[in-house]
Amino acid sequence: GAGVSQTPSNKVTEKGKYVELRCDPISGHTALYWYRQSLGQGPEFLIYFQGTGAADDSGLPNDRFFAVRPEGSVSTLKIQRTERGDSAVYLCASSPQGLNTEAFFGQGTRLTVV
Amino acid sequence: DQQVKQNSPSLSVQEGRISILNCDYTNSMFDYFLWYKKYPAEGPTFLISISSIKDKNEDGRFTVFLNKSAKHLSLHIVPSQPGDSAVYFCAASDHGSGNTGKLIFGQGTTLQVKP
Repeated sequence: GAGVSQTPSNKVTEKGKYVELRCDPISGHTALYWYRQSLGQGPEFLIYFQGTGAADDSGLPNDRFFAVRPEGSVSTLKIQRTERGDSAVYLCASSPQGLNTEAFFGQGTRLTVV
Repeated sequence: DQQVKQNSPSLSVQEGRISILNCDYTNSMFDYFLWYKKYPAEGPTFLISISSIKDKNEDGRFTVFLNKSAKHLSLHIVPSQPGDSAVYFCAASDHGSGNTGKLIFGQGTTLQVKP
């Protein structure tokens, strides 16, 4: 596609529920990142994929958060037992190779946990 | 422990004048720096980058300056245009993070360019 696509654009869920956020990266980009942006803050790194493998998941806040990229393209961020503090904009980015190249961001998914 | 800091939450300049956005970092291992621009309800858009082996990079109206000894970089926009009004994020990465290319972002500076 033309750019990084994230679905849904907005998601409202009840506390304790499970959610999945989807990212379609730019075709051919091997590196994929998930970031989380809270109000008034910059994006915060969550996880990095190179191909199918999670090369760096050091930013995941706890074991309720998990992400997959089974075929090296589309990625899904999964959040179990959501909490109100999980409310944020979740951004996905992709780049051709990762290091020293700019990452292209999607428009984000705004998650609201009520 | 904010490794990348943008100490000015907002900046207002007149159209046609220069906008200077500042960014400080603490991690001396950072060796690649980027500026992103973000409009409301959109994802950040890459603007310009600089490697630590350089002290200046220019692209049209945008110039980034890097002062490694001071751990400081700045983005100059000249002349500023109303369409430049957005949130600007400074970001950094380092090879020591396992060559992942993951970015550490500052908090952002909201630029308003008045006609």
